[in-house]
Amino acid sequence: GQNIDQPTEMTATEGAIVQINCTYQTSGFNGLFWYQQHAGEAPTFLSYNVLDGLEEKGRFSSFLSRSKGYSYLLLKELQMKDSASYLCAVRDFSRSNDYKLSFGAGTTVTVRA
Amino acid sequence: DSGVTQTPKHLITATGQRVTLRCSPRSGDLSVYWYQQSLDQGLQFLIQYYNGEERAKGNILERFSAQQFPDLHSELNLSSLELGDSALYFCASSSSGGDDEKLFFGSGTQLSVL
Repeated sequence: GQNIDQPTEMTATEGAIVQINCTYQTSGFNGLFWYQQHAGEAPTFLSYNVLDGLEEKGRFSSFLSRSKGYSYLLLKELQMKDSASYLCAVRDFSRSNDYKLSFGAGTTVTVRA
Repeated sequence: DSGVTQTPKHLITATGQRVTLRCSPRSGDLSVYWYQQSLDQGLQFLIQYYNGEERAKGNILERFSAQQFPDLHSELNLSSLELGDSALYFCASSSSGGDDEKLFFGSGTQLSVL
C-alpha cells in the first residue's frame, strides 16, 4: 500500500503561482498522476509522471523525484476557474493487487481576486 | 463529458437496504474502476475490473460486490446499507491498463442512506 500526503488547503491571488506538494510512500511505484476536481464534479486528468523531472503542460507543470517520494503540481497565472481540489494519485504495483491507483485526500485551492 | 455514464445520479434509501449502481465505460475502454468519496476520506479505491475479470481490490467491504459484464458495463452492489455508506460513488474507465493510462471518471452517484 501507500501513504499519500498533501496539504489540505491553499489560497492564492489571481495571476499568481501556487505549488502543491505531494509526498508518498509505496513499495511498487509505477507512476504519479494529478487530477483536478471542482466541487460536486468528477475528477479530470491533469498530468502524469513516471520518470524524474518536470512535465510542462501550458499553465500547469508537474515534477517528480522518485528517490524522495515527492511530487509537486505548479499552477501558473492563476485564474478564478482554477479554484478546485487537486488530487495527487500514485499507481502502485504489488503481486497481490496488480496495479492500483490510490488518491491523496486532495488540496483545495482557492483563488482570490 | 468524459464518455463514462453512471446511473442513477442520486439515490436515497434506508439503512439495511440494498442498491445497485451502474456504470458504462467509454467506448473501447476495457478497465472499470470504482471509487468511494466521502467528505472526510477523499477518494477511496474499491475495486477494478479488466475485460470482465477482477484485477485489483482496495478497501471494499464484504457487504459490497461488483462485476463487469461481457458488454463491459459494470455494477456495484451495496447491501445491508449503513449510514456511513452515504457517499459519492465514482466509476472510471481506462483503455488498456497500461502504465500511462489515465482514468476518465463518470459524474458519480450520490448515495444517501437515511
